[in-house]
Amino acid sequence: KAGVTQTPRYLIKTRGQQVTLSCSPISGHRSVSWYQQTPGQGLQFLFEYFSETQRNKGNFPGRFSGRQFSNSRSEMNVSTLELGDSALYLCASSLAGSSTDTQYFGPGTRLTVL
Amino acid sequence: AQSVAQPEDQVNVAEGNPLTVKCTYSVSGNPYLFWYVQYPNRGLQFLLKYITGDNLVKGSYGFEAEFNKSQTSFHLKKPSALVSDSALYFCAVRLPNQAGTALIFGKGTTLSVSS
Repeated sequence: KAGVTQTPRYLIKTRGQQVTLSCSPISGHRSVSWYQQTPGQGLQFLFEYFSETQRNKGNFPGRFSGRQFSNSRSEMNVSTLELGDSALYLCASSLAGSSTDTQYFGPGTRLTVL
Repeated sequence: AQSVAQPEDQVNVAEGNPLTVKCTYSVSGNPYLFWYVQYPNRGLQFLLKYITGDNLVKGSYGFEAEFNKSQTSFHLKKPSALVSDSALYFCAVRLPNQAGTALIFGKGTTLSVSS
């Protein structure tokens, strides 16, 4: 079974632009979560989607948003990019979105903001 | 505040020796605990988790972890380290009685295994 895939793998943007990242979960998985990884802040939870609904949201500004489609694929969008948004963005999927579920991570999208 | 601590930024061990990567947590109630490993330019790979039951959990690649409720710890162990175990290790906790799958991660510990 294929793992979690994320596209693109690398992105370079300039301040003020917006960006959309895509995540395809493991087949059959219905929950998708997004995390931001930076050297200074480590791994931080952005949000989780389950059955096309945002279920949880981390402590990030409204510039960060996401959505999930009926096939469980998810996208996250960052508007008005700032230098501090440079990070590795990781997507993770789990089967049923249960609190005991294991999350499986994709390889990430490396975003660089210039 | 709910948190996870990995007190060592780096752990160095010789190949063939046992390794321990430490993790403590500060969470109300009985959390669910996870270990992940990250290799350079890769995502996180799941190693093991503790949900309930036996305090000793066995996972992938020969790793195991022991849940200690009184010490609020969940240390990762392996009896005999391999050079290929060199990577960044993350401990994570999921809050009890919380819907969903959000994880709170520790800062990570770099494991370096020398030959």
